[in-house]
Amino acid sequence: AQKITQTQPGMFVQEKEAVTLDCTYDTSDPSYGLFWYKQPSSGEMIFLIYQGSYDQQNATEGRYSLNFQKARKSANLVISASQLGDSAMYFCAMREPEYGNKLVFGAGTILRVKS
Amino acid sequence: DTEVTQTPKHLVMGMTNKKSLKCEQHMGHRAMYWYKQKAKKPPELMFVYSYEKLSINESVPSRFSPECPNSSLLNLHLHALQPEDSALYLCASSQDDAGTYGYTFGSGTRLTVV
Repeated sequence: AQKITQTQPGMFVQEKEAVTLDCTYDTSDPSYGLFWYKQPSSGEMIFLIYQGSYDQQNATEGRYSLNFQKARKSANLVISASQLGDSAMYFCAMREPEYGNKLVFGAGTILRVKS
Repeated sequence: DTEVTQTPKHLVMGMTNKKSLKCEQHMGHRAMYWYKQKAKKPPELMFVYSYEKLSINESVPSRFSPECPNSSLLNLHLHALQPEDSALYLCASSQDDAGTYGYTFGSGTRLTVV
């Protein structure tokens, strides 16, 4: 069964607008971690934001925020005030202690910011 | 130093060649990882080293041979590869093997097998 689902293969957003990238996950482990990474065409995986399963508040890092809905098993990334440099592939990933703490990635969403 | 450094950035090799990919970090991280990423696909875990010992091998073919000479260095030795092994190879590290404080990735080696 797929552990991490990103249903949006590609997204467009107008510069300076906000965009939400969807991520749902599946786990029976009560302790897990959720990550979002950005991968530009250069290939480097850039860490954006982290949410632990026991964290009471939604994570925020600058223009990035995570809309964490635990009961729905969703962890959507919200990028505010989009910039041209935000154009990249975005991956949602989950770490599960039950499976040796492996980091498993979703299929990714390609984001294109339009000027 | 908060980086994971991978060399070379690009590599073209023949199917009979032997080559090695190198990954280095000086953050004191005790777990290091190799991922393989095909174009427009997510990274797939290959190997995990925890405290310099191989802890996870995701059923990777023996033509890929990992090595962790010390806590800062991770190598991936390549031998008799196939064209379908062409991919971006990413190295990552984490402070502990639980990834409690997140994972730091290198910029990868783009491998082409001809």
